[in-house]
Amino acid sequence: NAGVTQTPKFQVLKTGQSMTLQCAQDMNHEYMSWYRQDPGMGLRLIHYSVGAGITDQGEVPNGYNVSRSTTEDFPLRLLSAAPSQTSVYFCASSYNRGNTGELFFGEGSRLTVL
Amino acid sequence: RKEVEQDPGPFNVPEGATVAFNCTYSNSASQSFFWYRQDCRKEPKLLMSVYSSGNEDGRFTAQLNRASQYISLLIRDSKLSDSATYLCAVGGGRGRRALTFGSGTRLQVQP
Repeated sequence: NAGVTQTPKFQVLKTGQSMTLQCAQDMNHEYMSWYRQDPGMGLRLIHYSVGAGITDQGEVPNGYNVSRSTTEDFPLRLLSAAPSQTSVYFCASSYNRGNTGELFFGEGSRLTVL
Repeated sequence: RKEVEQDPGPFNVPEGATVAFNCTYSNSASQSFFWYRQDCRKEPKLLMSVYSSGNEDGRFTAQLNRASQYISLLIRDSKLSDSATYLCAVGGGRGRRALTFGSGTRLQVQP
């Protein structure tokens, strides 16, 4: 059972480039989310989705877009990368609403923006 | 003020010691509480949920104090393998659909 799969695991971008972080889960979870983790800041919610076709903003959504066309996939798009977006990105899913059930995390995507 | 606050540590303790972490939260309407464990350069994984009456899982005990708005994690008989960062997470409340995480407390168990 793969769980939550994120790709790529590592990426280096130049300022202004765009890219998409992929996230897929095979647990049939309705709830999916993206967090970023920075030293001393903990995990901060970027965007989340409670089902296909439904997305909403989290705490730090600026500079990121998401879509949820299927239950399995929840890609995160960086529109124009900035050095402030250098971070570790985690995708997470849950069988329940994200605030009441266990979150299952992917292994993370480490992004460096030069 | 952060919604969920933790002492970042590190807590350096010898093997066999008992160590406790607290985590305070500001949203009094919060309804769900969790402790996650994160190893270095790995993803967070659920350690245990925190129930109103308190709960225990082996050497780990979690408690919730709604009046003072904090949760705690007690680790007894610490093992080297307990060395990690412990993240508390809080959810629920009006209009909230996601967990809010603390920045984590680092534990280093020494031989």
